[in-house]
Amino acid sequence: AQSVAQPEDQVNVAEGNPLTVKCTYSVSGNPYLFWYVQYPNRGLQFLLKYITGDNLVKGSYGFEAEFNKSQTSFHLKKPSALVSDSALYFCAVRVHMYSSASKIIFGSGTRLSIRP
Amino acid sequence: DADVTQTPRNRITKTGKRIMLECSQTKGHDRMYWYRQDPGLGLRLIYYSFDVKDINKGEISDGYSVSRQAQAKFSLSLESAIPNQTALYFCATSDISGTNTGELFFGEGSRLTVL
Repeated sequence: AQSVAQPEDQVNVAEGNPLTVKCTYSVSGNPYLFWYVQYPNRGLQFLLKYITGDNLVKGSYGFEAEFNKSQTSFHLKKPSALVSDSALYFCAVRVHMYSSASKIIFGSGTRLSIRP
Repeated sequence: DADVTQTPRNRITKTGKRIMLECSQTKGHDRMYWYRQDPGLGLRLIYYSFDVKDINKGEISDGYSVSRQAQAKFSLSLESAIPNQTALYFCATSDISGTNTGELFFGEGSRLTVL
Protein backbone atom coordinates (compact mmCIF):
# COMPACT_ATOMS: atom_id res chain seq x y z
CA ALA A 1 0.00 0.00 0.00
CA GLN A 2 1.17 3.49 -0.75
CA SER A 3 1.74 5.48 2.39
CA VAL A 4 3.73 8.12 4.19
CA ALA A 5 4.93 7.86 7.77
CA GLN A 6 6.06 10.39 10.34
CA PRO A 7 7.60 8.35 13.16
CA GLU A 8 7.68 11.14 15.75
CA ASP A 9 4.53 12.64 17.23
CA GLN A 10 6.52 15.47 18.78
CA VAL A 11 9.95 17.02 18.35
CA ASN A 12 11.39 19.40 20.93
CA VAL A 13 14.30 21.69 20.08
CA ALA A 14 15.96 24.65 21.74
CA GLU A 15 15.88 27.92 19.84
CA GLY A 16 18.99 28.37 17.71
CA ASN A 17 19.65 24.64 17.40
CA PRO A 18 19.18 22.70 14.16
CA LEU A 19 15.95 20.77 13.75
CA THR A 20 14.93 17.68 11.81
CA VAL A 21 11.42 16.34 11.30
CA LYS A 22 11.41 12.85 9.83
CA CYS A 23 9.33 11.42 7.01
CA THR A 24 9.46 8.13 5.13
CA TYR A 25 7.31 7.06 2.23
CA SER A 26 6.21 4.00 0.32
CA VAL A 27 5.00 4.60 -3.24
CA SER A 28 5.49 3.01 -6.60
CA GLY A 29 7.38 4.95 -9.22
CA ASN A 30 9.03 8.30 -8.71
CA PRO A 31 7.52 10.16 -5.76
CA TYR A 32 6.33 13.72 -5.61
CA LEU A 33 6.88 14.73 -1.98
CA PHE A 34 5.64 17.73 -0.02
CA TRP A 35 5.87 19.36 3.38
CA TYR A 36 3.07 21.45 4.85
CA VAL A 37 2.87 23.44 8.07
CA GLN A 38 -0.21 24.14 10.19
CA TYR A 39 -0.27 26.96 12.71
CA PRO A 40 -2.96 26.96 15.44
CA ASN A 41 -6.48 27.54 14.12
CA ARG A 42 -5.23 27.81 10.56
CA GLY A 43 -5.29 25.72 7.43
CA LEU A 44 -2.23 23.95 6.10
CA GLN A 45 0.35 25.98 4.22
CA PHE A 46 2.67 24.59 1.56
CA LEU A 47 6.35 24.70 2.58
CA LEU A 48 8.29 22.89 -0.11
CA LYS A 49 8.25 20.02 -2.57
CA TYR A 50 10.52 17.52 -4.27
CA ILE A 51 9.70 16.54 -7.82
CA THR A 52 13.02 15.75 -9.47
CA GLY A 53 16.59 17.00 -9.61
CA ASP A 54 18.69 18.14 -6.65
CA ASN A 55 18.05 16.03 -3.58
CA LEU A 56 18.15 19.08 -1.31
CA VAL A 57 15.19 21.36 -1.82
CA LYS A 58 14.68 24.74 -0.21
CA GLY A 59 11.37 26.18 0.84
CA SER A 60 9.67 28.89 2.84
CA TYR A 61 10.79 30.29 6.20
CA GLY A 62 14.33 28.91 5.86
CA PHE A 63 13.26 25.27 5.75
CA GLU A 64 14.83 22.67 3.51
CA ALA A 65 14.30 18.98 2.96
CA GLU A 66 16.56 16.18 1.80
CA PHE A 67 15.28 13.48 -0.51
CA ASN A 68 16.98 10.11 -0.06
CA LYS A 69 15.81 7.52 -2.55
CA SER A 70 17.67 4.57 -1.06
CA GLN A 71 16.19 5.22 2.39
CA THR A 72 12.81 6.37 0.99
CA SER A 73 12.98 9.41 3.22
CA PHE A 74 12.24 13.10 2.91
CA HIS A 75 13.29 14.73 6.18
CA LEU A 76 12.55 18.38 6.88
CA LYS A 77 15.41 20.45 8.27
CA LYS A 78 16.32 23.91 9.40
CA PRO A 79 19.81 25.00 10.51
CA SER A 80 18.65 27.28 13.32
CA ALA A 81 15.21 26.94 14.90
CA LEU A 82 13.00 29.87 15.88
CA VAL A 83 10.24 29.90 18.50
CA SER A 84 7.89 30.94 15.69
CA ASP A 85 8.58 27.61 13.94
CA SER A 86 6.48 25.88 16.60
CA ALA A 87 3.61 24.28 14.68
CA LEU A 88 2.27 21.00 13.32
CA TYR A 89 4.14 19.68 10.28
CA PHE A 90 2.79 17.24 7.71
CA CYS A 91 4.67 15.24 5.13
CA ALA A 92 2.68 14.24 2.05
CA VAL A 93 3.14 12.26 -1.13
CA ARG A 94 1.37 12.49 -4.43
CA VAL A 95 -0.01 9.14 -5.49
CA HIS A 96 -0.68 8.45 -9.15
CA MET A 97 -3.98 6.67 -9.76
CA TYR A 98 -4.83 6.56 -13.47
CA SER A 99 -4.28 8.67 -16.58
CA SER A 100 -3.52 12.14 -15.22
CA ALA A 101 -5.40 11.52 -12.00
CA SER A 102 -3.59 11.62 -8.69
CA LYS A 103 -4.25 12.38 -5.06
CA ILE A 104 -2.15 13.48 -2.13
CA ILE A 105 -1.95 11.43 1.04
CA PHE A 106 -0.66 12.76 4.33
CA GLY A 107 1.35 11.51 7.25
CA SER A 108 -0.06 11.73 10.75
CA GLY A 109 1.80 14.95 11.54
CA THR A 110 4.64 15.93 13.88
CA ARG A 111 4.27 18.66 16.43
CA LEU A 112 7.40 20.80 16.56
CA SER A 113 7.99 22.71 19.77
CA ILE A 114 10.82 25.23 19.99
CA ARG A 115 11.72 26.40 23.48
CA PRO A 116 13.30 29.80 24.03
CA ASP B 1 -9.70 37.85 0.74
CA ALA B 2 -8.71 34.23 1.10
CA ASP B 3 -8.26 32.15 -2.04
CA VAL B 4 -10.12 29.22 -0.49
CA THR B 5 -13.03 30.13 1.76
CA GLN B 6 -14.90 27.75 4.02
CA THR B 7 -18.20 28.38 5.77
CA PRO B 8 -19.08 28.00 8.55
CA ARG B 9 -15.80 28.16 10.47
CA ASN B 10 -17.38 26.63 13.55
CA ARG B 11 -20.57 24.66 14.00
CA ILE B 12 -22.11 22.78 16.88
CA THR B 13 -24.99 20.48 16.06
CA LYS B 14 -26.90 17.52 17.42
CA THR B 15 -26.91 13.89 16.43
CA GLY B 16 -29.17 13.23 13.48
CA LYS B 17 -29.10 16.73 12.05
CA ARG B 18 -28.16 17.45 8.44
CA ILE B 19 -25.13 19.66 8.05
CA MET B 20 -23.59 21.30 4.99
CA LEU B 21 -20.08 22.71 4.85
CA GLU B 22 -19.38 25.00 1.94
CA CYS B 23 -16.19 25.79 0.09
CA SER B 24 -15.52 28.36 -2.60
CA GLN B 25 -12.26 29.22 -4.33
CA THR B 26 -10.93 32.03 -6.47
CA LYS B 27 -7.79 30.25 -7.66
CA GLY B 28 -9.38 28.95 -10.83
CA HIS B 29 -8.34 25.39 -10.02
CA ASP B 30 -10.26 22.46 -11.44
CA ARG B 31 -9.48 20.06 -8.62
CA MET B 32 -11.10 20.32 -5.22
CA TYR B 33 -10.91 18.11 -2.14
CA TRP B 34 -12.47 17.60 1.27
CA TYR B 35 -10.25 16.32 4.05
CA ARG B 36 -10.95 15.52 7.67
CA GLN B 37 -8.37 16.10 10.39
CA ASP B 38 -8.36 14.17 13.66
CA PRO B 39 -5.60 14.33 16.27
CA GLY B 40 -2.92 11.72 15.61
CA LEU B 41 -4.47 10.63 12.33
CA GLY B 42 -3.34 13.42 10.05
CA LEU B 43 -5.61 14.34 7.17
CA ARG B 44 -7.84 11.77 5.56
CA LEU B 45 -9.47 12.26 2.19
CA ILE B 46 -13.28 12.21 2.16
CA TYR B 47 -14.15 13.16 -1.43
CA TYR B 48 -12.38 14.75 -4.35
CA SER B 49 -13.47 16.27 -7.64
CA PHE B 50 -11.31 16.74 -10.72
CA ASP B 51 -13.93 18.83 -12.46
CA VAL B 52 -17.64 19.60 -12.20
CA LYS B 53 -18.64 16.24 -13.67
CA ASP B 54 -16.00 14.10 -11.98
CA ILE B 55 -16.53 13.30 -8.30
CA ASN B 56 -14.80 10.48 -6.48
CA LYS B 57 -14.91 8.87 -3.07
CA GLY B 58 -11.87 9.10 -0.87
CA GLU B 59 -10.81 6.76 1.90
CA ILE B 60 -13.52 7.71 4.41
CA SER B 61 -16.61 8.69 2.38
CA ASP B 62 -19.23 6.75 4.38
CA GLY B 63 -21.71 9.12 6.00
CA TYR B 64 -20.77 12.01 3.72
CA SER B 65 -21.91 13.31 0.34
CA VAL B 66 -20.69 16.16 -1.84
CA SER B 67 -21.90 18.48 -4.55
CA ARG B 68 -19.76 20.35 -7.08
CA GLN B 69 -22.09 23.17 -8.00
CA ALA B 70 -19.55 24.99 -10.17
CA GLN B 71 -15.83 25.00 -10.79
CA ALA B 72 -15.44 27.32 -7.82
CA LYS B 73 -17.78 25.62 -5.35
CA PHE B 74 -17.61 22.27 -3.62
CA SER B 75 -19.85 21.48 -0.65
CA LEU B 76 -19.74 18.62 1.84
CA SER B 77 -22.88 17.28 3.50
CA LEU B 78 -23.45 15.09 6.52
CA GLU B 79 -26.93 13.69 5.98
CA SER B 80 -27.38 12.55 9.58
CA ALA B 81 -24.55 13.72 11.79
CA ILE B 82 -23.11 11.42 14.45
CA PRO B 83 -20.65 12.23 17.27
CA ASN B 84 -17.68 10.48 15.65
CA GLN B 85 -17.93 12.98 12.81
CA THR B 86 -16.72 15.64 15.22
CA ALA B 87 -13.54 16.88 13.55
CA LEU B 88 -11.84 19.69 11.71
CA TYR B 89 -12.74 19.69 8.03
CA PHE B 90 -10.59 21.19 5.31
CA CYS B 91 -11.34 22.07 1.74
CA ALA B 92 -8.39 22.23 -0.64
CA THR B 93 -7.71 22.92 -4.30
CA SER B 94 -4.96 21.98 -6.70
CA ASP B 95 -3.94 22.49 -10.29
CA ILE B 96 -1.89 20.09 -12.37
CA SER B 97 -1.07 21.86 -15.57
CA GLY B 98 2.03 23.37 -17.04
CA THR B 99 4.62 23.67 -14.32
CA ASN B 100 2.16 23.11 -11.48
CA THR B 101 2.75 19.84 -9.70
CA GLY B 102 -0.39 19.47 -7.69
CA GLU B 103 0.42 21.00 -4.33
CA LEU B 104 -2.69 21.74 -2.34
CA PHE B 105 -4.06 25.10 -1.26
CA PHE B 106 -6.19 24.90 1.88
CA GLY B 107 -9.03 26.81 3.40
CA GLU B 108 -8.93 27.82 7.05
CA GLY B 109 -10.99 24.86 8.16
CA SER B 110 -14.47 24.19 9.54
CA ARG B 111 -14.63 22.86 13.07
CA LEU B 112 -17.68 20.65 13.51
CA THR B 113 -18.89 19.36 16.85
CA VAL B 114 -21.69 16.80 16.93
CA LEU B 115 -23.31 16.36 20.35
